[in-house]
Amino acid sequence: DQQVKQNSPSLSVQEGRISILNCDYTNSMFDYFLWYKKYPAEGPTFLISISSIKDKNEDGRFTVFLNKSAKHLSLHIVPSQPGDSAVYFCAASAQDGNEKLTFGTGTRLTIIP
Amino acid sequence: NAGVMQNPRHLVRRRGQEARLRCSPMKGHSHVYWYRQLPEEGLKFMVYLQKENIIDESGMPKERFSAEFPKEGPSILRIQQVVRGDSAAYFCASSPTGLADTQYFGPGTRLTVL
Repeated sequence: DQQVKQNSPSLSVQEGRISILNCDYTNSMFDYFLWYKKYPAEGPTFLISISSIKDKNEDGRFTVFLNKSAKHLSLHIVPSQPGDSAVYFCAASAQDGNEKLTFGTGTRLTIIP
Repeated sequence: NAGVMQNPRHLVRRRGQEARLRCSPMKGHSHVYWYRQLPEEGLKFMVYLQKENIIDESGMPKERFSAEFPKEGPSILRIQQVVRGDSAAYFCASSPTGLADTQYFGPGTRLTVL
């Protein structure tokens, strides 16, 4: 039962353009969402998060959008840079005192110079 | 402040042997989460510990797997009688508060079972 889904295993984007990564979830108990970036042989690194009371959160080149009614979130990276090439994981948690993370399967982003 | 440390980084075991994976949290962090990543999959929650206590082990297989986080020393994930299906990358994350966006991940231990 995949409660967090990233349907695009890979994405290639030209340097300088916008990268849009998508994520869908099924569990309505989730109320906090996070994006992580992961390089090979390293652990995931936290990028940006959003609470369910918001629909947008922005941090520099990274913006996360949340559509609660559609149970959908997206990560926008603009402008995309070669160093952004990595695997991106969407994760969700229910802030109920045990904030274990439920991860999607990841999207491999490749920025083309 | 050193980050989350995991050792060993790579561990090779034969079927039936025991595997011990260690996680040293960041200084001041009393919450530890363990996750497992099978090939071509996302990370899956295994267990959540807070100093000497197991808070949630709902993601742990019922047999052969155990975890501890003693008062002194690292958190240990122990897998007895390993099987090929245990081959995966095991990540721990530590947190000062347990909140989702304060989980800092270690580099992982890649376990290979021959």
